[in-house]
Amino acid sequence: AQSVTQLDSQVPVFEEAPVELRCNYSSSVSVYLFWYVQYPNQGLQLLLKYLSGSTLVKGINGFEAEFNKSQTSFHLRKPSVHISDTAEYFCAVSDSGGGADGLTFGKGTHLIIQP
Amino acid sequence: GAGVSQSPRYKVAKRGQDVALRCDPISGHVSLFWYQQALGQGPEFLTYFQNEAQLDKSGLPSDRFFAERPEGSVSTLKIQRTQQEDSAVYLCASSESSVEQFFGPGTRLTVL
Repeated sequence: AQSVTQLDSQVPVFEEAPVELRCNYSSSVSVYLFWYVQYPNQGLQLLLKYLSGSTLVKGINGFEAEFNKSQTSFHLRKPSVHISDTAEYFCAVSDSGGGADGLTFGKGTHLIIQP
Repeated sequence: GAGVSQSPRYKVAKRGQDVALRCDPISGHVSLFWYQQALGQGPEFLTYFQNEAQLDKSGLPSDRFFAERPEGSVSTLKIQRTQQEDSAVYLCASSESSVEQFFGPGTRLTVL
C-alpha cells in the first residue's frame, strides 16, 4: 500500500517570493512521483514527474521538484511565484513495477499568493 | 488534439436516483481511470480499464458503483440509488503510456 502526506493544507506567500510545498510518501515498492495543479472547477494538470534518473526534475510554469529517496520526499519549489500560481497542488505516487496503476494522491496544498 | 472530456459537467440528483457519468478519453489512449474527489480532499482511485477490460475495480466504494467501457473508448460510470455521501467530483483520466495520466475537467455530482 502507498500513502502520500502533504503536511501543509494552505501556504500563503507574497508575490515574487520563493515557495516550497512539501510532500512525503510511503511505499514498499519503487514508485513514480508526480505533482499536479488544479485550478478552480478544472481537472488536474501535470506539473512534473519523476520516473528515474536525475533526482531534480523541472516542470512547467517554472516549478521544479527534488526526489529524495532516503527521506522519501518529493518537495515542489518555485523561486518566484506569480498571482496566477494560486491553485491547489497535489502530490501523487504510483507503483513503478510495470503496468498501469492508479495514482495515490495527497490531500492537497492550497497555494495562496498575496499581492 | 482534444483532451479528455466529461459530461455532464454538473449533475444534481435526488437521493435514490440512478446517475450515469460519461468520459471521452484522448483518442488512442488504451488506459482509462476513474477517481472520486470529495470536497477539500485529493482524488481517490476508483477503477481502471485497459481497452475494454476492467483490470482493477478495487476502489469502487460499494456495489452501487459500476463502470464500463464496452468498445475500449468511451467509458460510463454509473451510480445506482445515489446517497448523499456520493456527492463529489468524479474525474476521468486516460493514458497512452500507462504512466502519465491526462485528466478531464470532472463531473460535479450533488445528491440532495
